[in-house]
Amino acid sequence: EVQLVESGGNLVQPGGSLRLSCSASGFTFSDYAIHWVRQAPGKGLEHVSAISSNGGSAYYADSVKGRFTISRDNSKNTLYLQMSSLRAEDTAVYYCVKVGGWYFPYWGQGTLVIVSS
Amino acid sequence: QSALTQPRSVSGSLGQSVTISCTGTSSDIGGYKYVSWYQQHPGKAPKLIIYDVSKWPSGVPDRFSGSKSGNTASLTISGLQAEDEADYYCCSYAGSYTVVFGGGTKLTVL
Repeated sequence: EVQLVESGGNLVQPGGSLRLSCSASGFTFSDYAIHWVRQAPGKGLEHVSAISSNGGSAYYADSVKGRFTISRDNSKNTLYLQMSSLRAEDTAVYYCVKVGGWYFPYWGQGTLVIVSS
Repeated sequence: QSALTQPRSVSGSLGQSVTISCTGTSSDIGGYKYVSWYQQHPGKAPKLIIYDVSKWPSGVPDRFSGSKSGNTASLTISGLQAEDEADYYCCSYAGSYTVVFGGGTKLTVL
């Protein structure tokens, strides 16, 4: 059974940093691209970042480019999202998502990031 | 990348059918056959219900169906049931490793 478990969400002050982790199991982690999708309270879904299976390619939404860094450790079956210069508008539930083709059949439970003073 | 356009809300009676539209551009919906739809109940993670425009993941009833014409995709839910009341999001591949989501549609079952 595919499982994705996010962690690391917390309350952080504007301008601060946070690192999210996503621990994966139930599939060959190194074979798949993994994405981060976020959802602000009461809002829709936003594609934030993606990383290729070997970590060689990464994508960032314009809203986080230059502030967020996605990475993965295939030996630990773990995905990361390093977030810096956090803003109030980054407040959201962050989901780790495994791709099928260009669709998302598997989602984690999400981890909540609150950026507030 | 701009979000895809969905109606904010739709409603239908038990047993009836409803259709949710999702409008994009030739750079996303119109350019690829990679439209997916997600159902989200309050406090839960989204659930994939349609992928590659019109395919069903295992376990999703065929009351849910998807289609695409030009830059617009549609999700039709037939035989509405109470448990179908949820938020629905469309999503399309947009090239260069990116996807774009719609703003979401709240379905109310009357």
